[in-house]
Amino acid sequence: KAGVTQTPRYLIKTRGQQVTLSCSPISGHRSVSWYQQTPGQGLQFLFEYFSETQRNKGNFPGRFSGRQFSNSRSEMNVSTLELGDSALYLCASRNPGLRAEAFFGQGTRLTVV
Amino acid sequence: SQQGEEDPQALSIQEGENATMNCSYKTSINNLQWYRQNSGRGLVHLILIRSNEREKHSGRLRVTLDTSKKSSSLLITASRAADTASYFCATDEDNQGGKLIFGQGTELSVKP
Repeated sequence: KAGVTQTPRYLIKTRGQQVTLSCSPISGHRSVSWYQQTPGQGLQFLFEYFSETQRNKGNFPGRFSGRQFSNSRSEMNVSTLELGDSALYLCASRNPGLRAEAFFGQGTRLTVV
Repeated sequence: SQQGEEDPQALSIQEGENATMNCSYKTSINNLQWYRQNSGRGLVHLILIRSNEREKHSGRLRVTLDTSKKSSSLLITASRAADTASYFCATDEDNQGGKLIFGQGTELSVKP
């Protein structure tokens, strides 16, 4: 079974630009969550999607958005990038038993210059 | 945001020794999961323990959970240099729609 796939792995963007990150969950997993990891703040929850609906959202500005498609693949978008958005963005998928293990992808390393 | 606390923040041991990491959290939980992360890469799932379980084993890993103290511990026995990584606990809290709350992590260094 393929794991969680995140693309791209690395990204360099300029302040003010926007970026879209992609996550393909494990086959059969309908819940996809996104997390931001920085040295200062650690792992912070961004949002979670289940069956194309956002079920929960973390404390991030509206510049951070996401969506989920009918095949459970998810994208997150960050608009008007700031230097502080530089981080490792991690995606996690969970199987239909919602209180089950969450499996993470390798992450997308975003650098904003 | 709410985050659990892990201690120690850093741990350095010799190969063959045991490593124990602790995690405390704040609210009632459905389960608690432990993850390993190597050098800023993705999180590798190690073990999940449910709120009605007290202890769980997986290979060289032993996890305990004390819901009355809102704490968990991860024991790695007979450590290897390859165990060098950061270890995180994550709680799956009631009514949080699949949101995981992570601790700050313990950085483990195993010297050969």
